[in-house]
Amino acid sequence: SQQGEEDPQALSIQEGENATMNCSYKTSINNLQWYRQNSGRGLVHLILIRSNEREKHSGRLRVTLDTSKKSSSLLITASRAADTASYFCATVLTGGGNKLTFGTGTQLKVEL
Amino acid sequence: ETGVTQTPRHLVMGMTNKKSLKCEQHLGHNAMYWYKQSAKKPLELMFVYSLEERVENNSVPSRFSPECPNSSHLFLHLHTLQPEDSALYLCASSPQYQANTEAFFGQGTRLTVV
Repeated sequence: SQQGEEDPQALSIQEGENATMNCSYKTSINNLQWYRQNSGRGLVHLILIRSNEREKHSGRLRVTLDTSKKSSSLLITASRAADTASYFCATVLTGGGNKLTFGTGTQLKVEL
Repeated sequence: ETGVTQTPRHLVMGMTNKKSLKCEQHLGHNAMYWYKQSAKKPLELMFVYSLEERVENNSVPSRFSPECPNSSHLFLHLHTLQPEDSALYLCASSPQYQANTEAFFGQGTRLTVV
C-alpha cells in the first residue's frame, strides 16, 4: 500500500502567501524527504529529516516531523510564482536500504 | 543540473520495437535507481543497483531489462512494450545504498508507446 500520502492534492495561493503541505505515512521510517518537480521534469531534493528530528529549515522552507502521528509538513513561506511545482514526500523505511517510497504529491500553483 | 543525465529526453516507440534508456552520473555514487512515474500515480521504484549489483527488482515485467555495466552508467532495455508502459522514466543515484541520504534525479525520459 502507498506509504506516503500528501494533502492537499492541489493548492492555489497568491504570491507572498505561505503554503503548507502535509504528508502522512504508515510504517516506521528512517527518514522522510521532500522533493519538488517542475512539470514533466526530474525531481529536486529539498530537505531530508531523520526520524529523531522534529524540525528542519532551509531558506524559506520549514519541515516538521511528528513520528507519533506519522506525519510531516512542508511550509513554504513568502511564496513566489517560481515555487509553482509538484511537491512530493518520500519515506525511507527503517532497515530498508535507500529506497524512496513516494506519495502522489501536492500540485502547488502560486499566482501573481 | 543535478549531475545525473538521461537520454533520450523523449522517446516514441511501437510495441514491437526494442529501445534503450541511458542514465549517466559522475557524482561518484555507488547506488543507482530506475523509477517509473505514471499520471495520477506515485513514483514506482523499479530497480536498484548497488556497486553494479542488482539489489532490488520490484516485480517489474520482463519486458523491462536493466543493465549496470559500471557504477556511472545504468541502462533500461525495453522490448515489446504495451501502451500502459507510457510514462516518465526517472533515473536517480545516491552515494551508498545502505546510507540513507538524498537521491539525485535525472530529468527523465518521456516514453510513449504506440
